[in-house]
Amino acid sequence: QAVVTQEPSLTVSPGGTVTLTCGSSTGAVTSGHYPYWFQQKPGQAPRTLIYDTSNKHSWTPARFSGSLLGGKAALTLSGAQPEDEAEYYCLLSYSGARPGVFGGGTKLTVL
Amino acid sequence: EVQLVESGGGLVQPGGSLRLSCSASGFTFSSYAMHWVRQAPGKGLEYVSAISSNGGSTYYADSVKGRFTISRDNSKNTLYLQMSSLRAEDTAVYYCVKGRGRGLDYWGQGTLVTVSS
Repeated sequence: QAVVTQEPSLTVSPGGTVTLTCGSSTGAVTSGHYPYWFQQKPGQAPRTLIYDTSNKHSWTPARFSGSLLGGKAALTLSGAQPEDEAEYYCLLSYSGARPGVFGGGTKLTVL
Repeated sequence: EVQLVESGGGLVQPGGSLRLSCSASGFTFSSYAMHWVRQAPGKGLEYVSAISSNGGSTYYADSVKGRFTISRDNSKNTLYLQMSSLRAEDTAVYYCVKGRGRGLDYWGQGTLVTVSS
């Protein structure tokens, strides 16, 4: 089974920019992995921010964007707000029957 | 408005059984795959099980294969997860999630399952 890797923790200053990445043990992440990004705040259920690499939901703030960067999926936050402090998970899809594999999550601190 | 409401969680002894339900509304339930994802206390997200829109295809994580059964009743807009031979390591919040393409879309609020004597 593939292993999906994320930075365990990152810190960004209010108003700053930060990029979270999502890598795969099988090699470069491509659009064919249909990367998803989820945000989870303490005590809340996750919510989907980005699907299929770069598509946003209606509730996704414009300051979040998804892309492929250096062989990984990336979630960029431009103009961080205190309310963006949360855990962020990525999900990659692989061929075969299984739906996908989650990354271990990145704890983002806005400080 | 899409709503997913889980129920059926609680405290169960090791080796016991529990059935989770997820009542769906606000979308055409029979058109979408549905998923169960769990999160142990202080841990990350783990895929548990998935079922195709018509129920004809299912997936189980290795950790639950042979012990959990996913099913759905499209006439009742309800998703189920029958859990048996429960272990302490099954303790988690279980989320019902609507499928979208190759991933996940709307999440329920979750139901807590605690396996302990």
